[in-house]
Amino acid sequence: KQEVTQIPAALSVPEGENLVLNCSFTDSAIYNLQWFRQDPGKGLTSLLLIQSSQREQTSGRLNASLDKSSGRSTLYIAASQPGDSATYLCAFGSSNTGKLIFGQGTTLQVKP
Amino acid sequence: NAGVTQTPKFRVLKTGQSMTLLCAQDMNHEYMYWYRQDPGMGLRLIHYSVGEGTTAKGEVPDGYNVSRLKKQNFLLGLESAAPSQTSVYFCASRDPGLYNEQFFGPGTRLTVL
Repeated sequence: KQEVTQIPAALSVPEGENLVLNCSFTDSAIYNLQWFRQDPGKGLTSLLLIQSSQREQTSGRLNASLDKSSGRSTLYIAASQPGDSATYLCAFGSSNTGKLIFGQGTTLQVKP
Repeated sequence: NAGVTQTPKFRVLKTGQSMTLLCAQDMNHEYMYWYRQDPGMGLRLIHYSVGEGTTAKGEVPDGYNVSRLKKQNFLLGLESAAPSQTSVYFCASRDPGLYNEQFFGPGTRLTVL
């Protein structure tokens, strides 16, 4: 059974720090991997999607990488800001049906 | 575009009552999904649909039924609600394809007493 693990569960950093969020998965037969942001009491907002043949995707201060051989993805946030405070979820897609298996998320707090 | 919308936003039920959650999307997406989110469990897929008139079971389908009579709508039904179904329910949609992201609605917070 596919499992997706996110470490750490919570992270608190001062504003301006660069940080890395980790996501690991047990099944290497990956179709794509999607990173989401969730604000308290809100829905999920897609940040980045990496398809299986890609190694990384970038959007602004965010960079997501994918290493299928080690079963890992990382989300790099540069120059963190208080507005980045949220829960970040990674989700493993195993087929074109789009079914996603989610990690439990990393809750990030960026202190001014 | 409104994107993905969910009705209602909040609901409180008594054990044994029934209800239907409505998901609507205006992006003409083929695929739609229902997830539930519970503390410590993350999001888990309940049912999904790969097109109008189709439905399929996800990871946690027991106690739920779904229907996709129109492409833009995906309904989630609870025939006899149980306290274990207290959760936040999210609907999502996407189009087929490697590069296509999944878009989520704002969620429905359901409490079963």
